[in-house]
Amino acid sequence: DQQVKQNSPSLSVQEGRISILNCDYTNSMFDYFLWYKKYPAEGPTFLISISSIKDKNEDGRFTVFLNKSAKHLSLHIVPSQPGDSAVYFCAASTPGTYKYIFGTGTRLKVLA
Amino acid sequence: EAQVTQNPRYLITVTGKKLTVTCSQNMNHEYMSWYRQDPGLGLRQIYYSMNVEVTDKGDVPEGYKVSRKEKRNFPLILESPSPNQTSLYFCASSYRGQGSNQPQHFGDGTRLSIL
Repeated sequence: DQQVKQNSPSLSVQEGRISILNCDYTNSMFDYFLWYKKYPAEGPTFLISISSIKDKNEDGRFTVFLNKSAKHLSLHIVPSQPGDSAVYFCAASTPGTYKYIFGTGTRLKVLA
Repeated sequence: EAQVTQNPRYLITVTGKKLTVTCSQNMNHEYMSWYRQDPGLGLRQIYYSMNVEVTDKGDVPEGYKVSRKEKRNFPLILESPSPNQTSLYFCASSYRGQGSNQPQHFGDGTRLSIL
């Protein structure tokens, strides 16, 4: 039972355009959501997070939106750059447990 | 340089031969965790530790052991490895903070092949 789902395994976007990566979840008790980026042969690196009490968090070119009623979050990258090409994982945490559930990842390719 | 160091980076071994993957962090983080990454399954949490001598199971703990005797080290032990434990393993650490939104710092991974 996959509690955190990333239904698009891959996404291609032209340089300078917006990239939108999506994540759906089933557990309404998750209290934080985090996005990580992963390059080949490296570990994931933290990108941005959002609390379940917020609906938007922005950090430079990266914005995460949370729609609690739809149990859906999205990561927007504007403008997309070739260096953004990587696999992106969304993750959710259960309150009080420090357990993390990751999605299966979306491979983003930004075309120059 | 702040980092999480895993060793070995690659290992090919045989079923039943005990092995240990070491993980060390130099950031004085309270929280440490182990994940495995498999195609189509993403990252799945194996075990985590809130602090020295405090560990708990993640989603896929079967076949693994951990210990946290020192704050900086969190080894992953496979007492009797089996082929279904062939995977890419990541160790991570973070400050514990007031909530579970603390960003985790990951090592570069250990690729294990169990024949």
